[in-house]
Amino acid sequence: DAMVIQNPRYQVTQFGKPVTLSCSQTLNHNVMYWYQQKSSQAPKLLFHYYDKDFNNEADTPDNFQSRRPNTSFCFLDIRSPGLGDAAMYLCATSKTGVTSTDTQYFGPGTRLTVL
Amino acid sequence: DQQVKQNSPSLSVQEGRISILNCDYTNSMFDYFLWYKKYPAEGPTFLISISSIKDKNEDGRFTVFLNKSAKHLSLHIVPSQPGDSAVYFCAALEYGNKLVFGAGTILRVKS
Repeated sequence: DAMVIQNPRYQVTQFGKPVTLSCSQTLNHNVMYWYQQKSSQAPKLLFHYYDKDFNNEADTPDNFQSRRPNTSFCFLDIRSPGLGDAAMYLCATSKTGVTSTDTQYFGPGTRLTVL
Repeated sequence: DQQVKQNSPSLSVQEGRISILNCDYTNSMFDYFLWYKKYPAEGPTFLISISSIKDKNEDGRFTVFLNKSAKHLSLHIVPSQPGDSAVYFCAALEYGNKLVFGAGTILRVKS
């Protein structure tokens, strides 16, 4: 049974057209993360939620926003996608904080293409 | 600045032989290390971890070795199986900070 679900799996958008990626979890974990992974690069943490507390990484562009309306769902909003935002976006969850050794559970990712 | 480096983008191994995946890090404050495995069209899944107070951790066919003086860790898979073909990510954690990933190594196990 899928534990971290990401929709859609593939998303194509136009340059500058807002796009929203979705993540849901059945694990009832406190923490949800969004990572960006560009081709042949390491996954890079954009931000995370601990419950309702939002934590942005210092180098995450303002173009990226996130919402967590409830424990199960978390959204990644890209307000004005640029060509450089084409990447795989991975959602992950963990039971406790981002700095703990708790295992992070990843979804399959959403591949974003910007035309 | 990449704090976690996996210098081999890919590795090809014959079934039944040993696979050795390497990872180097620069931050001496890292105190916990993990390996994740990723199949195509799936998210990374946790494989094995090691604390900085240890130099070896074993789980079945998978063993992780940590050499703190060299800031190097390696994942050994013995014997390698075709189902082990995947991307392997090394990751490191500094207490009080976030997980940092390497770029991954593609392992192909040939039958």
